[in-house]
Amino acid sequence: AQSVTQLGSHVSVSEGALVLLRCNYSSSVPPYLFWYVQYPNQGLQLLLKYTTGATLVKGINGFEAEFKKSETSFHLTKPSAHMSDAAEYFCAVITNTGGFKTIFGAGTRLFVKA
Amino acid sequence: DSGVTQTPKHLITATGQRVTLRCSPRSGDLSVYWYQQSLDQGLQFLIQYYNGEERAKGNILERFSAQQFPDLHSELNLSSLELGDSALYFCASSESGSVYEQFFGPGTRLTVL
Repeated sequence: AQSVTQLGSHVSVSEGALVLLRCNYSSSVPPYLFWYVQYPNQGLQLLLKYTTGATLVKGINGFEAEFKKSETSFHLTKPSAHMSDAAEYFCAVITNTGGFKTIFGAGTRLFVKA
Repeated sequence: DSGVTQTPKHLITATGQRVTLRCSPRSGDLSVYWYQQSLDQGLQFLIQYYNGEERAKGNILERFSAQQFPDLHSELNLSSLELGDSALYFCASSESGSVYEQFFGPGTRLTVL
């Protein structure tokens, strides 16, 4: 069964520093992978997705993620953190067991220090 | 603004009661998904409807039910409420039956006292 593991429930970086949020998945078939962001008191918003093709995926707000099949990873990065990036980030994978379903990781809360 | 609307925004009720949460998908989207977000369970997929028919089922309790109407809006019915049902309930929609990109509503915060 597909699953998603996000390493670190909380990550804190300084403004301007590199953001790295880790995600590992397990899937018996080629995965479809996603990163979503949730700002306080809001719903989730898609940051980026990998379905097929280029393994380096660029998303909104300067984020990108790289699909590494050998490492079963889909880590999210941003070269320079901004205060407005403070939010909760969810990695997700699609499973096709009993219909297509999106399985979310537990989430990583990103704190950005001035 | 994702284009998905949910009402009400907040709901406070008592144990044993029944509530209905409403969701209107983005214009043109045929699929609606319901999720429950709580501190202890995280974000859990409940159920998906596509053009009025149930398409996929997740961790939805038997006390919960949903439907999608001909105008494509959806309702999530929660009955015999328990304290543990207190959570944020999100609705999402997508263009087709696939889940490649879902657009989430702002959520309904349910508090069961």
